[in-house]
Amino acid sequence: QVQLVESGGGLVKPGGSLRLSCAASGFAFSNYYMSWIRQAPGKGLEWISYIRKNGSAIYYADSVKGRFTISRDNAKNSLYLQMNSLRGEDTAVYYCAREGLSGSYSYWGQGTLVTVSS
Amino acid sequence: DIQMTQSPSSLSASVGDGVTITCRASQNILNFLNWYQQKPGKAPNLLIYGASNLQSGVPSRFSGSGSGTEFTLTISSLQPDDFATYYCQQSYSLWTFGQGTKVEIK
Repeated sequence: QVQLVESGGGLVKPGGSLRLSCAASGFAFSNYYMSWIRQAPGKGLEWISYIRKNGSAIYYADSVKGRFTISRDNAKNSLYLQMNSLRGEDTAVYYCAREGLSGSYSYWGQGTLVTVSS
Repeated sequence: DIQMTQSPSSLSASVGDGVTITCRASQNILNFLNWYQQKPGKAPNLLIYGASNLQSGVPSRFSGSGSGTEFTLTISSLQPDDFATYYCQQSYSLWTFGQGTKVEIK
């Protein structure tokens, strides 16, 4: 069955960096576009980044552009999010998600919590 | 950027009630509209894609309709498992979520 497992979250000081990973299994990872979506405590969902199957196209939300970098390693069935210059407003649960039909996200990981605080 | 506005932000209903949630887009998104259900502490779960297509495994009491800028999610007869927060999401131009609608027990 399809599984997405995020890791790498934790407590980091403002201005610091963190790298999130998402390990995929149960499907042909290289055939799907992937995204990172986050949710601040008690708030709604925010799409933050997308990467095409072979990495040929990448998009970011304005809120993270220039600070976050999405990447993937299809040989390792893994998705990554490098987060630099972290701010308090980046505190959230970060989900990786796999494409579904019509631009939807049909599979989600369990999420990893990133807390940015001094 | 495309903005998505859901209404209401919350509602109270009883088991067996019919419920309708509305989602409006700031511009025409054709039928690139998806609906998700999220329970506390859990990842969202896809219910409807392409405005009106039921995701595999989702009960038939959930249905979606609309096109262009106005969309609705309908739950025909609320069940205890349906008390949750619901989000719409446009996928016409990048991705944007609505602010969510919390469905609570009356």
